[in-house]
Amino acid sequence: NAGVMQNPRHLVRRRGQEARLRCSPMKGHSHVYWYRQLPEEGLKFMVYLQKENIIDESGMPKERFSAEFPKEGPSILRIQQVVRGDSAAYFCASSPTSDSGQPQHFGDGTRLSIL
Amino acid sequence: QKEVEQDPGPLSVPEGAIVSLNCTYSNSAFQYFMWYRQYSRKGPELLMYTYSSGNKEDGRFTAQVDKSSKYISLFIRDSQPSDSATYLCALMKGAQKLVFGQGTRLTINP
Repeated sequence: NAGVMQNPRHLVRRRGQEARLRCSPMKGHSHVYWYRQLPEEGLKFMVYLQKENIIDESGMPKERFSAEFPKEGPSILRIQQVVRGDSAAYFCASSPTSDSGQPQHFGDGTRLSIL
Repeated sequence: QKEVEQDPGPLSVPEGAIVSLNCTYSNSAFQYFMWYRQYSRKGPELLMYTYSSGNKEDGRFTAQVDKSSKYISLFIRDSQPSDSATYLCALMKGAQKLVFGQGTRLTINP
């Protein structure tokens, strides 16, 4: 399967712990996007990354959230000191280039639950 | 006001019916228009992609864009129970950030 791979599929954390979500883009894709889907809501953009660069983080909360896409390995979305309101499905998408209008292909998400 | 408005439904129709799903948007800067299908506990799957006003057809699916009215539609002909899912419209301004509608939950009854 050469699709976008996300892991873990489900993640349970207690309040105050750290959550790390991983995303491997489709083969040949070097652009990664993270979205969050709260219950009964649509997907909301969080951050757009290329290898070793954050291009647009306008949707990221200012505190506790960070993202990276290193030269080697998957993209990581990191949430520090999680709170109940962080419970959501987090989706990663990828595209091959930065050309305008490139459609994005999504993984099956990580469902984060905060106890 | 939300940038993209989509009726969340739920929408329930009998098998074989024609389904019409719609979104409206407020910002004329949107240039690219997509429809995604999302099954329960899965990620969004790209169904249709258009960038100009008019119709685009793919099998039983037709995407329609009216930029002058800021209105996009997805039509499903001969609907099947397997079409039961949440349908999301997604718009892009060119800078790669997708703006999604809330999604419409569709059920096709056998």
